[in-house]
Amino acid sequence: GAVVSQHPSRVICKSGTSVKIECRSLDFQATTMFWYRQFPKQSLMLMATSNEGSKATYEQGVEKDKFLINHASLTLSTLTVTSAHPEDSSFYICSAHPETGNTIYFGEGSWLTVV
Amino acid sequence: QKEVEQDPGPLSVPEGAIVSLNCTYSNSAFQYFMWYRQYSRKGPELLMYTYSSGNKEDGRFTAQVDKSSKYISLFIRDSQPSDSATYLCAMNPGGGNKLTFGTGTQLKVEL
Repeated sequence: GAVVSQHPSRVICKSGTSVKIECRSLDFQATTMFWYRQFPKQSLMLMATSNEGSKATYEQGVEKDKFLINHASLTLSTLTVTSAHPEDSSFYICSAHPETGNTIYFGEGSWLTVV
Repeated sequence: QKEVEQDPGPLSVPEGAIVSLNCTYSNSAFQYFMWYRQYSRKGPELLMYTYSSGNKEDGRFTAQVDKSSKYISLFIRDSQPSDSATYLCAMNPGGGNKLTFGTGTQLKVEL
């Protein structure tokens, strides 16, 4: 199946710093990428939808100035958690939608721990 | 009422059993239906993808969609301990729209 890669898979950062997570579609071009957050034993919570070359669309309650999303190319989207706090510690997952078809593929996820 | 309802389990079955996982939904606009498997601390892995009503089989997995009842199922034959995971149903109207997920069903296949 199609491959979506996330990096880093785990990151620990200090409170107040910013962290960038990358999401790459390795063998297809992704017109749309989605960013999710998942808490333990819960389903995925959609944070935002990003389309290549345009501003991301954030879900209600998600701070766009705190979670900066950039979809610079058809194979790369980044999520930057700015001024991170311990409550931002979570599992962040991206997914990508190819230019053709409707199948959506997920990355392996990134564990963020803010200390 | 949630758009997609899924029993969270946990569901525990013996090895070799047939497992039936189900979701119901309320939005008649949904046309594409997917099942993802998520192991602990990993991203979801696409298992099955179906469009509109009907059945689709892939190895030990069979996905069924009944749009008239707004009901989808995933069957796992000859279940293995390695099938132990959380299974998420997901659906959308198509066109690259965001997925709407069920809460996920936690499955444990015991030796």
